[in-house]
Amino acid sequence: DADVTQTPRNRITKTGKRIMLECSQTKGHDRMYWYRQDPGLGLRLIYYSFDVKDINKGEISDGYSVSRQAQAKFSLSLESAIPNQTALYFCATSETRQGSYEQYFGPGTRLTVT
Amino acid sequence: ELKVEQNPLFLSMQEGKNYTIYCNYSTTSDRLYWYRQDPGKSLESLFVLLSNGAVKQEGRLMASLDTKARLSTLHITAAVHDLSATYFCAVDQYRGSNYQLIWGAGTKLIIKP
Repeated sequence: DADVTQTPRNRITKTGKRIMLECSQTKGHDRMYWYRQDPGLGLRLIYYSFDVKDINKGEISDGYSVSRQAQAKFSLSLESAIPNQTALYFCATSETRQGSYEQYFGPGTRLTVT
Repeated sequence: ELKVEQNPLFLSMQEGKNYTIYCNYSTTSDRLYWYRQDPGKSLESLFVLLSNGAVKQEGRLMASLDTKARLSTLHITAAVHDLSATYFCAVDQYRGSNYQLIWGAGTKLIIKP
């Protein structure tokens, strides 16, 4: 079984709809992240969480919100989807330890807003 | 603010050739990561470089880190088609009270038979 899972894997939704993307991990990591990937723009950080009570905005948080329901679960919501939120969304995890903050990625969710 | 630049952003090369991808970053950092992404797939960790002079090799790929020059290289030896992918570098930056990864834009590598 995959260590980091994302649901749904693909989603098509209409402008103005609320949508939630979910991420679960079995790695036991304390840190979780949501990224957005657009062609040619690399990865951009939306939100990150270092533990259940710690939520931080990334560089492109406008239009998004998150919930860390448990150490293993981190959800991303689009309150009112708009077409320019069409992108590939990745969840990632890492652990707090000295020396490395290597991140492990889920399979991605391809979101299309029409 | 830390900026991470990769070059080239696109590279088309023949099988059997050698080439190098460069990752420059703008402020001090001791840790750098290389990832691979196949089209439509997730990112897979390739190398974690944790100190100046670090060198790691896996098959035909070798990564190195020069923290004084703020430069990492990913060298491809005798390229094969299976290495076609997009390669990202990422650098740790201390922000607020903790570290974040700052990502390069990626290098799309196409290896032709």
